[in-house]
Amino acid sequence: EIVLTQSPGTLSLSPGERATLSCRASQSVSSNYLAWHQQKPGQAPRLLIYGASSRATGIPDRFSGSGSGTDFTLTISRLEPEDFAVYFCQQYGSSPLTFGGGTKVEI
Amino acid sequence: EVQLLESGGGLVQPGGSLRLSCAASGFTFSRYTMSWVRQAPGKGLERVSGITGSGGDKYYADSVKGRFTISRDNSKSTLYLQMNSLSAEDTAVYYCAKGGTAEPLDYWGQGTLVTVSS
Repeated sequence: EIVLTQSPGTLSLSPGERATLSCRASQSVSSNYLAWHQQKPGQAPRLLIYGASSRATGIPDRFSGSGSGTDFTLTISRLEPEDFAVYFCQQYGSSPLTFGGGTKVEI
Repeated sequence: EVQLLESGGGLVQPGGSLRLSCAASGFTFSRYTMSWVRQAPGKGLERVSGITGSGGDKYYADSVKGRFTISRDNSKSTLYLQMNSLSAEDTAVYYCAKGGTAEPLDYWGQGTLVTVSS
């Protein structure tokens, strides 16, 4: 099972600032099948990034993903008020699919 | 527009059973792997089960193996999760999601809450 470790656990930033979130895998993620999901309180997760760097439909270009192998990064270039949420990384390259513990981006 | 609508959650006593349903629309349901992912209160996400488009291959997390059964009816574009022998540890919001191994979880339902308590 691939264990995904996200850091930091909490990121305290202001609107307009840049956010950099990390996700480290315990072994290489097959085909870089690494996704990032955003979850707001009381809502379902929403896919932001798949394949490590491809934005999902309708996702603003301030969200970008990078990385390969075992180290991945989600960058939010300029935080908007609606971006304050919890972000999960998730690998879907091998079974079992696994999720990171999440990074909370707070004001 | 892709929509996934779960139903069937509720309060159940320990040892009881529930059947969750997920009605899908907006895509060719039979072509895609579907998953059930749960989130215990204040916790992270766990994929508990998945099923390929044809229904031929199924996945279960160790935590639910032997108690939960996933199925699908492609003629009705509906996904199911039969949950037996429920315990307090199964208390969570259960989401259905489109995708699985080698397919991103690109759409999620709104979730249905399952509470196991006496």
